[in-house]
Amino acid sequence: DAGVIQSPRHEVTEMGQEVTLRCKPISGHNSLFWYRQTMMRGLELLIYFNNNVPIDDSGMPEDRFSAKMPNASFSTLKIQPSEPRDSAVYFCASSPGSQANSYNSPLHFGNGTRLTVT
Amino acid sequence: AQSVSQHNHHVILSEAASLELGCNYSYGGTVNLFWYVQYPGQHLQLLLKYFSGDPLVKGIKGFEAEFIKSKFSFNLRKPSVQWSDTAEYFCAVNAGNTGFQKLVFGTGTRLLVSP
Repeated sequence: DAGVIQSPRHEVTEMGQEVTLRCKPISGHNSLFWYRQTMMRGLELLIYFNNNVPIDDSGMPEDRFSAKMPNASFSTLKIQPSEPRDSAVYFCASSPGSQANSYNSPLHFGNGTRLTVT
Repeated sequence: AQSVSQHNHHVILSEAASLELGCNYSYGGTVNLFWYVQYPGQHLQLLLKYFSGDPLVKGIKGFEAEFIKSKFSFNLRKPSVQWSDTAEYFCAVNAGNTGFQKLVFGTGTRLLVSP
């Protein structure tokens, strides 16, 4: 199993540009999560999906952020327009289990995308 | 809302020293508790987890954690650390009755083990 695959590994962009981060979860996993990691705030949950449906997006910082999961094997996190304060490492994670018992399934994290907005 | 506090942001130890990293959470109901580790340049990996039963949980690489419900704590311990334990450690909690996994992480503790 290749694990959770994220791309790109590094992204450097200028303020105002659109940024798209991609994630391929582990095959068969029903839940997908987007986290943001910064020195100041640690790991923050941005949004999570179950069976491709967004369940909780209360962690999305503002309207500039959007996430989609068009199918079970692909998700995107988009920032438009990007700002320097968006600079962080963005992690995607997936977990197995059904809706009923997913709460006790450990997360499998990708290697993250390091975003730098200048 | 749930929250997790890790009071030690940075810990520096010599090899063979004992380790205890504090973790406190705020939630009065049933919880599932986790410790994740992030080695330099790598992604987060599960170290150990507690769902129910014996409050003393054994994890990988000689780590253990004890759930003390009365103190809302889930401290991570290792009797003798190694240089390879240098990493960032994250405590996380999930309310067990939400029906969905929504982990709330602490801000992490960076551990540096000097040889």
